[in-house]
Amino acid sequence: AQTVTQSQPEMSVQEAETVTLSCTYDTSESDYYLFWYKQPPSRQMILVIRQEAYKQQNATENRFSVNFQKAAKSFSLKISDSQLGDAAMYFCSHSGNTPLVFGKGTRLSVIA
Amino acid sequence: GAGVSQSPSNKVTEKGKDVELRCDPISGHTALYWYRQRLGQGLEFLIYFQGNSAPDKSGLPSDRFSAERTGESVSTLTIQRTQQEDSAVYLCASSLAVGGEQFFGPGTRLTVL
Repeated sequence: AQTVTQSQPEMSVQEAETVTLSCTYDTSESDYYLFWYKQPPSRQMILVIRQEAYKQQNATENRFSVNFQKAAKSFSLKISDSQLGDAAMYFCSHSGNTPLVFGKGTRLSVIA
Repeated sequence: GAGVSQSPSNKVTEKGKDVELRCDPISGHTALYWYRQRLGQGLEFLIYFQGNSAPDKSGLPSDRFSAERTGESVSTLTIQRTQQEDSAVYLCASSLAVGGEQFFGPGTRLTVL
């Protein structure tokens, strides 16, 4: 069975600092995608970043980047220069030929 | 273009009543998903559609829950004889194909009194 594990229920970071959210997954598929979604208090789920498993290069989107370790099945999210608007629930997810499997989420607080 | 829309945005109902939640996916998206999210919790997968077919209904919590999709477009999630534990936000998402990036609607907050 495909699973996604986020071991940090809550994290906090000082404004302008860097924080890393961890995620591990398990799959038997060789071709798949990994995603990080953000859910602010408005509850609208927003895609933050995606990674294709066949790509060795880590994806980056402005202040957001991932550390994708395929052999270790690890997919962490790094947020640089944290901003107050980054405060949200972050969900890691994985997909292949089946619907996305989501982790339980990490609640990120940003301290001014 | 328009994103995923859901209606109503909020629904308050009495225990034992039936409710219908609607989802309008992005045009052309063949896959559609329903999730339940209890307060402060993660996403609980309920069901997904590939076209108008639901290959996997195992996530539905009980036989009081059902869903359908027509015209490879709008989907309705129906909860019969609602219970207080059904109170949650119900999120709908769609994607071009199963397993692809999902685009989420704003959700329906259901409160069962």
